[in-house]
Amino acid sequence: DGGITQSPKYLFRKEGQNVTLSCEQNLNHDAMYWYRQDPGQGLRLIYYSQIVNDFQKGDIAEGYSVSREKKESFPLTVTSAQKNPTAFYLCASSTSGPYNEKLFFGSGTQLSVL
Amino acid sequence: AQKVTQAQTEISVVEKEDVTLDCVYETRDTTYYLFWYKQPPSGELVFLIRRNSFDEQNEISGRYSWNFQKSTSSFNFTITASQVVDSAVYFCALSDPSGGGADGLTFGKGTHLIIQP
Repeated sequence: DGGITQSPKYLFRKEGQNVTLSCEQNLNHDAMYWYRQDPGQGLRLIYYSQIVNDFQKGDIAEGYSVSREKKESFPLTVTSAQKNPTAFYLCASSTSGPYNEKLFFGSGTQLSVL
Repeated sequence: AQKVTQAQTEISVVEKEDVTLDCVYETRDTTYYLFWYKQPPSGELVFLIRRNSFDEQNEISGRYSWNFQKSTSSFNFTITASQVVDSAVYFCALSDPSGGGADGLTFGKGTHLIIQP
């Protein structure tokens, strides 16, 4: 079945540590996204990519980094510069740009700080 | 500025009751898209519906129906004869060229719907 796979489901970060969240899709979608969800809040965009080797900052990109070396993969690194990383992270994809496209989501990664 | 308001933070009803989730939006554009997504306890958001700004026809899909009214900038979602499996967080979202977020998509804060057996 086609879909988006996020791993791990739960992740713990120590002080000063960088951690990487994985996102893989087999839907042959061009566009991929990372969203952050805090309790009682809507989704906020961290980064998005509409094509391989290109990506744009979202509304809350500080303290995060991404790469898009393959169409199927869009990993997110939470760096030590992100002072409040505890949140639920969702990866999504769409056929092309987000403007009028529905998004397909992964099942998320819950990141917590030790 | 682009904005989506879901005023109901949490709604709790008994199974088989009808329930309506409200969504009010703000945009300067005449062309835009509205969405509803469902987030069950598993965490993954699931697409429910997309509506463009030129199509004000109400839509029904099984027990789900949507009422789009441009005059009041609302896109409300009704579940008829609710079931326990409908328990989830529901998000309304707005997408337009002027963009709220960097990708032009703005989500509401969601409504947590609890269906009690």
